[in-house]
Amino acid sequence: EDKVVQSPLSLVVHEGDTVTLNCSYEVTNFRSLLWYKQEKKAPTFLFMLTSSGIEKKSGRLSSILDKKELFSILNITATQTGDSAIYLCAVDPIIQGAQKLVFGQGTRLTINP
Amino acid sequence: NAGVTQTPKFRVLKTGQSMTLLCAQDMNHEYMYWYRQDPGMGLRLIHYSVGEGTTAKGEVPDGYNVSRLKKQNFLLGLESAAPSQTSVYFCASSRYRGLPLETQYFGPGTRLLVL
Repeated sequence: EDKVVQSPLSLVVHEGDTVTLNCSYEVTNFRSLLWYKQEKKAPTFLFMLTSSGIEKKSGRLSSILDKKELFSILNITATQTGDSAIYLCAVDPIIQGAQKLVFGQGTRLTINP
Repeated sequence: NAGVTQTPKFRVLKTGQSMTLLCAQDMNHEYMYWYRQDPGMGLRLIHYSVGEGTTAKGEVPDGYNVSRLKKQNFLLGLESAAPSQTSVYFCASSRYRGLPLETQYFGPGTRLLVL
């Protein structure tokens, strides 16, 4: 059974801190790993990772994938209160056909001023 | 361009009642998906569609039916609601399965409470 596990499930830090969110996976096939940010409503796309060792970066957020060890990390530097959200990791385990994403439980990140 | 929209935003049902959730997308996407999100469990796929007139089961399909009569709409039906179906329901769509790799675009969600 395909499985995605995120850690920690909840994290509270002060504004300005750096955080690292973890995502490990076990899937039969692998096409890509995706990170989403979910504030009050719809998850919004952050990164898609397909190759090991290549960092994706967007402002203060960055992510990297290790396909050998089957995990990914999402880093947020100089955190701001607007970074407070649930961060979701998902794996696309199907090579062909519909994109049946398998999601982790999510990490609830709270940034205190 | 509204993206993915869902109606209603919130609904309260009594056990045994039926209802239909509507998802609409204006991006001409081929693929559409219905997920449910429960506390501590992430999103789980209920049903999906790879094109107009097609539907298929996801991870947790029991108690739900779907229809995709038009390319832009994907309906999720609950024939006889149960308290276990209390959840937040998200619809998503994606363009295709080719290259470059595509992500899914999510609607704002429907919060359903079954008493």
